[in-house]
Amino acid sequence: AQTVTQSQPEMSVQEAETVTLSCTYDTSESDYYLFWYKQPPSRQMILVIRQEAYKQQNATENRFSVNFQKAAKSFSLKISDSQLGDAAMYFCAYRSAWGGGSNYKLTFGKGTLLTVNP
Amino acid sequence: DTEVTQTPKHLVMGMTNKKSLKCEQHMGHRAMYWYKQKAKKPPELMFVYSYEKLSINESVPSRFSPECPNSSLLNLHLHALQPEDSALYLCASSQDVWGAGGEKLFFGSGTQLSVL
Repeated sequence: AQTVTQSQPEMSVQEAETVTLSCTYDTSESDYYLFWYKQPPSRQMILVIRQEAYKQQNATENRFSVNFQKAAKSFSLKISDSQLGDAAMYFCAYRSAWGGGSNYKLTFGKGTLLTVNP
Repeated sequence: DTEVTQTPKHLVMGMTNKKSLKCEQHMGHRAMYWYKQKAKKPPELMFVYSYEKLSINESVPSRFSPECPNSSLLNLHLHALQPEDSALYLCASSQDVWGAGGEKLFFGSGTQLSVL
């Protein structure tokens, strides 16, 4: 079974600065997806960024980028120019790329609560 | 329209009540999901519907009864709940469960349920 570990329960960053959230995972599969979801106080889970394991290029979405290290099974999220609206719980998640069995499931990490200080 | 709409936003119910949660999407997605989330924990999958049929039940107690009347709607019927069932209930949808696009879930804002 796959596991996802977020070792930082809480992080804080000053507005306009850069912060990196860590995520490691364990899998025996070669093809899979990795995600970062954001859950602000509004409670909606919002997809921040998605990485396909077979793509070596790191995904980027505006101020959000990832450092995907497949061999190390590491998937960190970098937030540049942090804004007050970035304050949220961030969940790292894994999903197999292959169908069938229990591969439909998203496996979440425990989350990192990010505070942005003005 | 990339929204998943959930109603009500908040619900308080007694242990003998019957209530329903509603979820709606108009993205043409054929897979819909119910998740349960306790405070400061990640979401836990409860049910998966694929093409309006229940595909997966994650061993959820029978006091939770899902229903998918059509491809845009998903309900969760609640009966005889326990206080420990108090949680945020999230609905999500995706293009498919296993096919292309199935990995990208769109979530609603949830229903915060309190069972007294």
